[in-house]
Amino acid sequence: DAGVIQSPRHEVTEMGQEVTLRCKPISGHNSLFWYRQTMMRGLELLIYFNNNVPIDDSGMPEDRFSAKMPNASFSTLKIQPSEPRDSAVYFCAIPPPPGNTGELFFGEGSRLTVL
Amino acid sequence: SQQGEEDPQALSIQEGENATMNCSYKTSINNLQWYRQNSGRGLVHLILIRSNEREKHSGRLRVTLDTSKKSSSLLITASRAADTASYFCATGPGRRALTFGSGTRLQVQP
Repeated sequence: DAGVIQSPRHEVTEMGQEVTLRCKPISGHNSLFWYRQTMMRGLELLIYFNNNVPIDDSGMPEDRFSAKMPNASFSTLKIQPSEPRDSAVYFCAIPPPPGNTGELFFGEGSRLTVL
Repeated sequence: SQQGEEDPQALSIQEGENATMNCSYKTSINNLQWYRQNSGRGLVHLILIRSNEREKHSGRLRVTLDTSKKSSSLLITASRAADTASYFCATGPGRRALTFGSGTRLQVQP
């Protein structure tokens, strides 16, 4: 367990509301990945950061989604305004310390329900 | 779009039996990984096999990779009820983002 803390673990909100999901690696990491998991589409990469800079955000569904990584110990994924189709489990993942070969350590996820 | 597709989608076996899951992918890879996900939890990395490797073992896990067929298999020997979970293959072009398959749901009956 490389230690990735996600919050909130569960969120229920109404359509149109802003949602902010948070990810905090216990040890600072310059690389960080956001994935979304749904029954219909499985695990999808939304965005990933390297050296705190977004490298690939092609998976971000639309302009309603935005992500930031202001430092190596914190990242946020924001949805504004939220829609029912955004209901999913959102995972944050990090690579292990230098020397790794590409595996990822995942947080426990944030389960979002948009009514 | 998903790179890997697991087969079968669901598998139910008795404790003590072996479980075999297969994964097919589409493009060239640097490595292939298998992950496990318990219900309501995050994914946990199980094993990684590089594109120049054909077989790898870790405890009760055995992974094979056939790059000519673009396929991999995960074998769990002597399964236990605690192995009940979803299993995903993921392909990576090195240190960049992984692409996950749709998963196999394994149910091990005690």
